[in-house]
Amino acid sequence: DAKTTQPPSMDCAEGRAANLPCNHSTISGNEYVYWYRQIHSQGPQYIIHGLKNNETNEMASLIITEDRKSSTLILPHATLRDTAVYYCIVKETSYDKVIFGPGTSLSVIP
Amino acid sequence: EAQVTQNPRYLITVTGKKLTVTCSQNMNHEYMSWYRQDPGLGLRQIYYSMNVEVTDKGDVPEGYKVSRKEKRNFPLILESPSPNQTSLYFCASSQLVGAYYGYTFGSGTRLTVV
Repeated sequence: DAKTTQPPSMDCAEGRAANLPCNHSTISGNEYVYWYRQIHSQGPQYIIHGLKNNETNEMASLIITEDRKSSTLILPHATLRDTAVYYCIVKETSYDKVIFGPGTSLSVIP
Repeated sequence: EAQVTQNPRYLITVTGKKLTVTCSQNMNHEYMSWYRQDPGLGLRQIYYSMNVEVTDKGDVPEGYKVSRKEKRNFPLILESPSPNQTSLYFCASSQLVGAYYGYTFGSGTRLTVV
């Protein structure tokens, strides 16, 4: 079973920030938080990951709470191409099985 | 370009006719894995490999075989396909050392067994 819980769906207006929450209340000290997205039936795409500090890359920002029990993925200026299913995953090592839950289906609306 | 390449993208076959789905990566990754994705069931791991000649079962290995004779290739073999193996299949790879490496996924293979 997935170790994370996410809302099943969200809407966001084009050009606005999309904030996708994830709860991982049972995360252990060595587990990283990863975010992936899957556009239609394409292969999942890695977005970002973090351990305890906030992270930012060219795609998104990741905010992890101080107790590490939840996190938020931020797409700063959502576009129609960001419409996808977003998966939040926790795992400890690179070879841990990646367990994908249902994810959050984000719809960016014009 | 760093990528995972799967072939074919689409395949329709008949029950019992052996088939192979190929997967190749050009990133020198040690770890490779196969997933299947079905509506309502999400992504489920079939087999994985942590290096050449090292493979292990995932959650749903029945009806599948794999081999890892070379680091870059990880083919998925269906010896006698059945309709319940109709699915969308993804191959993924990752560096092994260090938790901070994400997976790179292929574009998928949509298999229909009739």
